[in-house]
Amino acid sequence: DSGVTQTPKHLITATGQRVTLRCSPRSGDLSVYWYQQSLDQGLQFLIQYYNGEERAKGNILERFSAQQFPDLHSELNLSSLELGDSALYFCASSVAIRLAGDKNTGELFFGEGSRLTVL
Amino acid sequence: AQKITQTQPGMFVQEKEAVTLDCTYDTSDQSYGLFWYKQPSSGEMIFLIYQGSYDEQNATEGRYSLNFQKARKSANLVISASQLGDSAMYFCAMRPGYSGGYQKVTFGTGTKLQVIP
Repeated sequence: DSGVTQTPKHLITATGQRVTLRCSPRSGDLSVYWYQQSLDQGLQFLIQYYNGEERAKGNILERFSAQQFPDLHSELNLSSLELGDSALYFCASSVAIRLAGDKNTGELFFGEGSRLTVL
Repeated sequence: AQKITQTQPGMFVQEKEAVTLDCTYDTSDQSYGLFWYKQPSSGEMIFLIYQGSYDEQNATEGRYSLNFQKARKSANLVISASQLGDSAMYFCAMRPGYSGGYQKVTFGTGTKLQVIP
């Protein structure tokens, strides 16, 4: 158990709909990341939040948005869904590396993923 | 910008043999971290091993070792005595060093390893 909780685990919806994926990071982790993994593909970085603020953005579509709340949980909103949005969406959390040489590894702890199927 | 390259889309290895999964990276940072993750068919991402750019020794974790060659910018994963349960997708990843809260972790495209009995 990584300590990162994602809900829902599975979601089936129709094109044009909107869904919200939820993530609770490990206790004490301030950073939350969202990744998209399409079938048989690698992990595409979507967005990162740190203590409520957006810190890094990847190839996230304009139809997608995310936020991190004061209690540090995060939500990824996917709207106007298309067939190609079907994927496994991972949330991960980590500690921030504060200084060069910080002994923390900055390892990402992943949730089990939310599998989205758009029909 | 950081980039991770895994040139082996798929590999086969005989049970009990050792196998090396290749990973090369590109970064202008002096301080960075390198990871390997395993993704079995069930889908979860499992952390295997970490190597810091200033670590002088190659990292080892049980049957996993990381062959770190900084000058060549390579961080190959070596799995010794392969087991059937090692069949999975393996991802190499990199994070920057000092981040001040910014820490985009970049993943390679992965290598699918199949262990043959």
